[in-house]
Amino acid sequence: KNEVEQSPQNLTAQEGEFITINCSYSVGISALHWLQQHPGGGIVSLFMLSSGKKKHGRLIATINIQEKHSSLHITASHPRDSAVYICAVSGSGGGADGLTFGKGTHLIIQP
Amino acid sequence: EAGVTQFPSHSVIEKGQTVTLRCDPISGHDNLYWYRRVMGKEIKFLLHFVKESKQDESGMPNNRFLAERTGGTYSTLKVQPAELEDSGVYFCASSRLSKRLVAETQYFGPGTRLLVL
Repeated sequence: KNEVEQSPQNLTAQEGEFITINCSYSVGISALHWLQQHPGGGIVSLFMLSSGKKKHGRLIATINIQEKHSSLHITASHPRDSAVYICAVSGSGGGADGLTFGKGTHLIIQP
Repeated sequence: EAGVTQFPSHSVIEKGQTVTLRCDPISGHDNLYWYRRVMGKEIKFLLHFVKESKQDESGMPNNRFLAERTGGTYSTLKVQPAELEDSGVYFCASSRLSKRLVAETQYFGPGTRLLVL
């Protein structure tokens, strides 16, 4: 059974700061997912990655398979980035497994 | 393309009653998942359908929960009889079926907030 740990649990930063959220997992995976949930909103998939690095706008996700670790970075943070960011992993069984989730990181960006 | 939809958005019932949640996945998505978040905890996997077949139901808490996906389209999750600890947010997600056995992006519904009193 995979254990997914995220840090920090809560993060408050000023607008414009560079943000890093970390995720580690205990067992081999087929993919790692970064998800976003705004207050009162639904869950949106930001990235799915199995190696290397992906970038979308101001968001960057990296993964190190050997170290079982991933990071989500936000450059030039903005108050609209305030949300819960959730790391989740797909098991190595076949790719379509149900996800195992971390507890989430509550991010607040103050203007 | 319509996203994943769930009905109802909220449900308040008394202990012992029955509630049925519905999920309509994105058209053409053969994978359908049910998840649950209990207050203060992380989201947990309940079960996974591939088309109309249950692929994995290892996360279902007990036999008070019954999920169906007749015809491989929409799915229902029935809780009967509901208990206080069943309160939480129930999410549905869907994804394409990959022939290469690799993970696909899961698209989540808005969730159903269930409160059992």
